[in-house]
Amino acid sequence: EAEVAQSPRYKITEKSQAVAFWCDPISGHATLYWYRQILGQGPELLVQFQDESVVDDSQLPKDRFSAERLKGVDSTLKIQPAELGDSAMYLCASSLELGQNYEQYFGPGTRLTVT
Amino acid sequence: AQSVTQLDSQVPVFEEAPVELRCNYSSSVSVYLFWYVQYPNQGLQLLLKYLSGSTLVESINGFEAEFNKSQTSFHLRKPSVHISDTAEYFCAVSIDYKLSFGAGTTVTVRA
Repeated sequence: EAEVAQSPRYKITEKSQAVAFWCDPISGHATLYWYRQILGQGPELLVQFQDESVVDDSQLPKDRFSAERLKGVDSTLKIQPAELGDSAMYLCASSLELGQNYEQYFGPGTRLTVT
Repeated sequence: AQSVTQLDSQVPVFEEAPVELRCNYSSSVSVYLFWYVQYPNQGLQLLLKYLSGSTLVESINGFEAEFNKSQTSFHLRKPSVHISDTAEYFCAVSIDYKLSFGAGTTVTVRA
């Protein structure tokens, strides 16, 4: 069964360092999402792509976070510089298309710890 | 604005007992509602969804949820749980193709 792949699964970094996460969606899925899940809270949407275009990045802290999906397939989320408050699980999801009827499939996530 | 409130953060339950997870939402427009499940060390999986039509929706593994517009609720139920149902459950609402999640309910099933 096709799955959303994410790497690394775990990342420990020091405050002020740069960190990057990678996501490979299910083949053929046009829509890709990045979520942040702080411990004890539900996932919060950071950015949403349709193919290589950003559909929504209103919740992305653009002073330190960036996301790209250059060829409309895999995606990278970067944080520079990392802050203590960035410690969280970062989840990637993909769906066939944009719309309520299209299920979002989630990857296993990258757990980030900033020290 | 929209928000989702899951009223119970933790629900311990004995095997074969019933369970209900409560979810309330606030929205000024029509919504689509979802329940996701997250097993330990795994990503979220869609459990069931309400888009339109019958207000009672069911999953393949015995869960059901009922959309109640007047009470703005979408509670999840299972009449008899198994050890394997131990997981975190998230209620979510979708407007304009964006999902907003509740804080989650951790269900621990004991033998």
